[in-house]
Amino acid sequence: AQTVTQSQPEMSVQEAETVTLSCTYDTSESNYYLFWYKQPPSRQMILVIRQEAYKQQNATENRFSVNFQKAAKSFSLKISDSQLGDTAMYFCAFQGDQTGANNLFFGTGTRLTVIP
Amino acid sequence: KAGVTQTPRYLIKTRGQQVTLSCSPISGHRSVSWYQQTPGQGLQFLFEYFSETQRNKGNFPGRFSGRQFSNSRSEMNVSTLELGDSALYLCASSWGTLQTEAFFGQGTRLTVV
Repeated sequence: AQTVTQSQPEMSVQEAETVTLSCTYDTSESNYYLFWYKQPPSRQMILVIRQEAYKQQNATENRFSVNFQKAAKSFSLKISDSQLGDTAMYFCAFQGDQTGANNLFFGTGTRLTVIP
Repeated sequence: KAGVTQTPRYLIKTRGQQVTLSCSPISGHRSVSWYQQTPGQGLQFLFEYFSETQRNKGNFPGRFSGRQFSNSRSEMNVSTLELGDSALYLCASSWGTLQTEAFFGQGTRLTVV
């Protein structure tokens, strides 16, 4: 079975600073995708960034980047130049070839607060 | 391009009743998944429908069921509601292959009293 662990229930960061959210996962699948989703108070889950397991290069999306360590099964999210709009719950998620498309396993989330 | 639409946004039901939630996916998407989000259990996968067939199922009792219509719209039904069914129910649509992104609706907040 797949498990996704986020060990930081809450974090805070000063506006314009950098913050890193941690995520580890466990799986026996060889072909999978990892995601970071953001859920603001509006409750809508928004995809922040995704990483294909077969790609060694870390994904980057503007101010968001990941540190993907496949052997360690670690997938952390770095947010640079934090903005007030980044305040939200952040969920790490796993999707595997065997478990099926559009079937995501989520971590418990990290509540990020950006302080002005 | 319209996003994923879930109706209703809020719902209050009494224990023992049944409820039906609706999800209209993004046009062209054939896969619809449902998730239950609670403070205690987090986000849990309920089931996924692809081209009107249930393709994957999570670990939920048989009181939770769903279906998908030929236009890809999906409904989720919960019978004999329990207090513990109070949750945010999220729907996600995608093209249905591993490489494609899932887009979420804003959810239906169900409260069972």
